[in-house]
Amino acid sequence: LAKTTQPISMDSYEGQEVNITCSHNNIATNDYITWYQQFPSQGPRFIIQGYKTKVTNEVASLFIPADRKSSTLSLPRVSLSDTAVYYCLVGAVYNQGGKLIFGQGTELSVKP
Amino acid sequence: EAGVTQFPSHSVIEKGQTVTLRCDPISGHDNLYWYRRVMGKEIKFLLHFVKESKQDESGMPNNRFLAERTGGTYSTLKVQPAELEDSGVYFCASSPLMGASSTDTQYFGPGTRLTVL
Repeated sequence: LAKTTQPISMDSYEGQEVNITCSHNNIATNDYITWYQQFPSQGPRFIIQGYKTKVTNEVASLFIPADRKSSTLSLPRVSLSDTAVYYCLVGAVYNQGGKLIFGQGTELSVKP
Repeated sequence: EAGVTQFPSHSVIEKGQTVTLRCDPISGHDNLYWYRRVMGKEIKFLLHFVKESKQDESGMPNNRFLAERTGGTYSTLKVQPAELEDSGVYFCASSPLMGASSTDTQYFGPGTRLTVL
């Protein structure tokens, strides 16, 4: 599974757009990019997944350039409740279930 | 729909004692995973069940750890005897068996915080 690199921490203010970039230079052709969110005292929670270009859901957007060596999670107009750790994971999806490889994640702190 | 539940939420034991953690996956989910995070480290995979069978146990640290999933429903993770380095948060996750056209989201429980003194 491809190794990922993302900032250890980020600070933001309420109402701002937050972009967290993840590098995955060794991504394989059949790898997907998945982001999880983890609040204190909870387990990780799936946010969004994509293969290329742009994916958007009710929570976030995921931008993936053509070379797929990086990806950016975009959180529009963050609130205090978006304070959490965000993990970028890279791996094949269609393998009927498989382990997730977590990195250190990015600790996002949203301030009033 | 109920999510993944884990019991207990916290456990404090002394070195050498035995502890059993329980995970109840989302009903109908055949995939069940155990992960853990020890202090200051990343979340690490321990093992993966498909129904009652161990699909991948490459992450189990040593033979003091025993995971079971009798009947393919809930799972237990026993640590015997517990050591200081076993302290951490143990997460369970589950997911349905999916076809090739579906994503493979894993649903995590809140974790069990284990402290070995």
